[in-house]
Amino acid sequence: RKEVEQDPGPFNVPEGATVAFNCTYSNSASQSFFWYRQDCRKEPKLLMSVYSSGNEDGRFTAQLNRASQYISLLIRDSKLSDSATYLCVVGNDYKLSFGAGTTVTVRA
Amino acid sequence: DAGITQSPRHKVTETGTPVTLRCHQTENHRYMYWYRQDPGHGLRLIHYSYGVKDTDKGEVSDGYSVSRSKTEDFLLTLESATSSQTSVYFCAISEMTGSPYEQYFGPGTRLTVT
Repeated sequence: RKEVEQDPGPFNVPEGATVAFNCTYSNSASQSFFWYRQDCRKEPKLLMSVYSSGNEDGRFTAQLNRASQYISLLIRDSKLSDSATYLCVVGNDYKLSFGAGTTVTVRA
Repeated sequence: DAGITQSPRHKVTETGTPVTLRCHQTENHRYMYWYRQDPGHGLRLIHYSYGVKDTDKGEVSDGYSVSRSKTEDFLLTLESATSSQTSVYFCAISEMTGSPYEQYFGPGTRLTVT
């Protein structure tokens, strides 16, 4: 079983729409949680950390459910520039485990 | 953007040849990592370093070795390249103060083994 599992998508949404997706993780001892964004043929870039109480960064909202071991990301008012692959990342100590990514395509 | 560079950015090599990839950072971060990324897989950890001359294996370390003789440089060597090592290789750095566990990535090296 993979440590982090994500729906690969793709999620095709119109501009202005809301899109949400999540991932599950297997290690209940995981300590840190992130969403990274990866554009085609580029390096992953940190989008946001995810905290137990949930957190927001502009149009992005992340939630963590430790009991069910899943993490979610919601994007409001989608922009064309939000088209990317979103990587769910779970950490234990200084090592991270990455999901294979969820692809989001925002169309005009 | 974090000061991380990788060289070469692209390489084509033949099966059986040795290959060395370099990661260089200007952030003075303690931890450095090598990952590979293949379609359908998340980034998979090859090796990591927690200080000069301190390294350890990741989940896919077979066929790879690393060295770190200076804080700023982390080298990944494929002793005898195989076609299964065709991949995109990313280096990452992190520090345990300020924002622990967050990793920052270099631009990647695309390696093709023919």
